[in-house]
Amino acid sequence: KAGVTQTPRYLIKTRGQQVTLSCSPISGHRSVSWYQQTPGQGLQFLFEYFSETQRNKGNFPGRFSGRQFSNSRSEMNVSTLELGDSALYLCASSLTSRETDTQYFGPGTRLTVL
Amino acid sequence: AQSVTQPDIHITVSEGASLELRCNYSYGATPYLFWYVQSPGQGLQLLLKYFSGDTLVQGIKGFEAEFKRSQSSFNLRKPSVHWSDAAEYFCAVGANGNQFYFGTGTSLTVIP
Repeated sequence: KAGVTQTPRYLIKTRGQQVTLSCSPISGHRSVSWYQQTPGQGLQFLFEYFSETQRNKGNFPGRFSGRQFSNSRSEMNVSTLELGDSALYLCASSLTSRETDTQYFGPGTRLTVL
Repeated sequence: AQSVTQPDIHITVSEGASLELRCNYSYGATPYLFWYVQSPGQGLQLLLKYFSGDTLVQGIKGFEAEFKRSQSSFNLRKPSVHWSDAAEYFCAVGANGNQFYFGTGTSLTVIP
């Protein structure tokens, strides 16, 4: 079974631009979560989608948004990029949205904001 | 509030030596605990998880972890470290569905 895939793997943007990252979960998984990983803040939860509905949202500004499609693929969007948005963005999928479900992580998208 | 603390930012061990990585959590309800490993340029791979039952949990790659409710700890252990174990290790607690709270990670260096 194919793992979680994220595209693109690397992105370079400039301040003020917007960016869209994509995540394809493991086949059959209906929950997708997004995390931001930075050296200073570590891994921080952005949001989770289950069956096309946002279930949880972390403490990030409204510039960070996401959505999930009927095939469970998910996208996250960051508008008006800031230098501090440079990070590794990880997506994770699981079968359902229970705490006991194992989350499987993708390789991440490395975003650099110049 | 939920939180996870990994007191050791960096640990260096010799190949073949034993390893223990510390993890303390703060969570009001029954904790669902996880250890993940991240190699450079890679995503996170699940090593093991604890939900209930036996407090000693076996994982992949020869790792195990022990849940101690009285100490709010979930330490990761391996009896003999291999050079390929060099990586970043993250402890996490699951809450509110799939909202994981991660520790800041422990970087492991293995000396040949």
